[in-house]
Amino acid sequence: QVHLVQSGAEVKKPGASVKVSCKASGYTFTSNAMHWVRQAPGQRLEWMGWINTGNGNTKYSQKFQGRVTLTRDTSASTAYMDLSSLRSEDTAVYYCAIQGSPDYSHYFDYWGQGTLVTVSS
Amino acid sequence: EIVLTQSPATLSLSPGERATLSCRASQSVSSYLAWYQQKPGQAPRLLIYEASNRATGIPARFSGSGSGTDFTLTISSLEPEDFAVYYCQQRNNWPPITFGQGTRLEIK
Repeated sequence: QVHLVQSGAEVKKPGASVKVSCKASGYTFTSNAMHWVRQAPGQRLEWMGWINTGNGNTKYSQKFQGRVTLTRDTSASTAYMDLSSLRSEDTAVYYCAIQGSPDYSHYFDYWGQGTLVTVSS
Repeated sequence: EIVLTQSPATLSLSPGERATLSCRASQSVSSYLAWYQQKPGQAPRLLIYEASNRATGIPARFSGSGSGTDFTLTISSLEPEDFAVYYCQQRNNWPPITFGQGTRLEIK
């Protein structure tokens, strides 16, 4: 079955960068695009961007343009989210997510367990 | 960017009652809307996609309706495990994909 396993919690200082990984299993990694969504404490879910895991093309939310970079390593079936110039407002749980069925176009039925990133001086 | 506004913010009901949750879009999203359930400490769970289609394994007591700008999630008879936060999400004209602010369904 499909599993998305993310890297562990991170604590970063303002201005630093963080890289979160998402290792996929149970399906063909390059067949499903990977999305990244974050959730600050008590806040709504916030879509950050998307990577076509086949060709590496990306699309980003304008809010994060210039600060977020999505990459993937197809040999390791792993996607990465890199967020730079961190500020306290970036404290959130970061999720990777995919659509598991062609019917679920840009809806997400498989999610990673979430990675808490805390930004604090 | 399409803004989704959910109402009410909190809904207090008892098991066995019917729940009606609303999601309104700032402009038409056609039928490109989904509903998710999220419990504390867990990732969201896809319930409904394309406004009215139940996702795989979702019980029949969950139903969705609407198109354009106004959408509804109905839970016909609440089970104890249904008390959670519910989010709507649109994918029309993405990026960006956007989510509503959530409705908290709590036990009365």
